[in-house]
Amino acid sequence: AQSVTQLGSHVSVSEGALVLLRCNYSSSVPPYLFWYVQYPNQGLQLLLKYTTGATLVKGINGFEAEFKKSETSFHLTKPSAHMSDAAEYFCAVRVSSNTGKLIFGQGTTLQVKP
Amino acid sequence: GAGVSQSPSNKVTEKGKDVELRCDPISGHTALYWYRQSLGQGLEFLIYFQGNSAPDKSGLPSDRFSAERTGGSVSTLTIQRTQQEDSAVYLCASSWDRGPGQPQHFGDGTRLSIL
Repeated sequence: AQSVTQLGSHVSVSEGALVLLRCNYSSSVPPYLFWYVQYPNQGLQLLLKYTTGATLVKGINGFEAEFKKSETSFHLTKPSAHMSDAAEYFCAVRVSSNTGKLIFGQGTTLQVKP
Repeated sequence: GAGVSQSPSNKVTEKGKDVELRCDPISGHTALYWYRQSLGQGLEFLIYFQGNSAPDKSGLPSDRFSAERTGGSVSTLTIQRTQQEDSAVYLCASSWDRGPGQPQHFGDGTRLSIL
């Protein structure tokens, strides 16, 4: 069965500091992995995804993530945090090979301090 | 609009009443998903539709929950005899097809509160 674990329900960084949000997954099929961001009272917005090919994936707003099969990880990073990055972030993995159904992690709330 | 549209944005109702939540997917998207987001359970898959295929209802928590998709477009999620534990944000998403690499585009959700 597929599962996603996000380490740290809350992460706090200073503006300009490195952002690192951790995601580990378990999957019985080749994993397709996603990071979504949710701002207050809004739906989820796709930041980036990994399906096949290059393991370092670049997304919107300066975020990137690296797929590491040996570590079953897909951590999200951004070199320099902006105040506008404050939001909740969700990591997700596909359920099976022939569906777009997703399993989500519990989410990580990112706080950015001035 | 260009995005996924959900209505109402907020719904407050009394325990025991039935509610209907509506989702208008992005035009041309054949796959449509419903998720529930609550404090205790996080984001949970409920049901998804793909074209004219039978829907995958494996995430529906009880037989009080049902959904339909008319004409391959608009979808309605119905909750009968609502309970307080049904209070949550209900999110709808659509994608071009059910392919596992297709990104899902989410609406802003319906916040359901059961008194």
